[in-house]
Amino acid sequence: QKEVEQNSGPLSVPEGAIASLNCTYSDRGSQSFFWYRQYSGKSPELIMFIYSNGDKEDGRFTAQLNKASQYVSLLIRDSQPSDSATYLCAVNWGGGFKTIFGAGTRLFVKA
Amino acid sequence: GAVVSQHPSRVICKSGTSVKIECRSLDFQATTMFWYRQFPKQSLMLMATSNEGSKATYEQGVEKDKFLINHASLTLSTLTVTSAHPEDSSFYICSAKLTGEGASLDTQYFGPGTRLTVL
Repeated sequence: QKEVEQNSGPLSVPEGAIASLNCTYSDRGSQSFFWYRQYSGKSPELIMFIYSNGDKEDGRFTAQLNKASQYVSLLIRDSQPSDSATYLCAVNWGGGFKTIFGAGTRLFVKA
Repeated sequence: GAVVSQHPSRVICKSGTSVKIECRSLDFQATTMFWYRQFPKQSLMLMATSNEGSKATYEQGVEKDKFLINHASLTLSTLTVTSAHPEDSSFYICSAKLTGEGASLDTQYFGPGTRLTVL
C-alpha cells in the first residue's frame, strides 16, 4: 500500500510568520513530488513540484525534499490570510504512472 | 501552467437521471486523465484513470457501470454518472497529465470541478 501522510491540522499561524507543512511517503522509489493548494469549494491548484534532494524556492514558497528520510515539506514565508487553504502533498510512483495524494493539511493564517 | 476545463461547473438533477461531465485539456494533449470525487471536508478520492483510446482503469470500489468514462480524443474525457442517486452528490474533479521525461511533464493539472447535486 503506497501511502502519503500529512498532518490534517489545522495549522494556525499569525500573519507574516513562516508556515511549515510536512509530508512523508512510503514508496522509496518515488521520483516526483508536488504541492497543491485547495481553497474551500475549489479544485486543487499546483504550487510547485520538486524531484531533487534539497530546497527549491519559488517566491514565498520553498519546497524541501529529503529522499533518504522520505520526507517533503513546504515552507510559506510571510504568510498571508489569503494563504489559508488546504495544502495537498502528492507523490508519483510506479515510474510516474500513478500519483498518490495525501489527505491535506488545513492552514489558517490569522490576520 | 496547463489549462484544464470542465463542464458543467454545477448540475442539479433528479434521482434516476444520467449526468455527463466533460473534461478538456485546452492547450496540451493529455494521453491520461484522472477523475476524482471529493465529499465535503474530505480528501480527494481517485475514481478512475482515463487513457485515450482504451478502457478506463477504475479504482477498487468504484462501479464502472455506474461511472462511465470515455476518453475519445487527446483533449477530451467524459464521465457519465448513470442513474444518479442522492448519495452520488459530490464534487467531481478531473485532471490531465502531461507525460514524458521530467517531473514537470508528470504534473497533474486539475479542472475547476463539477458540483453535482442529485435531488
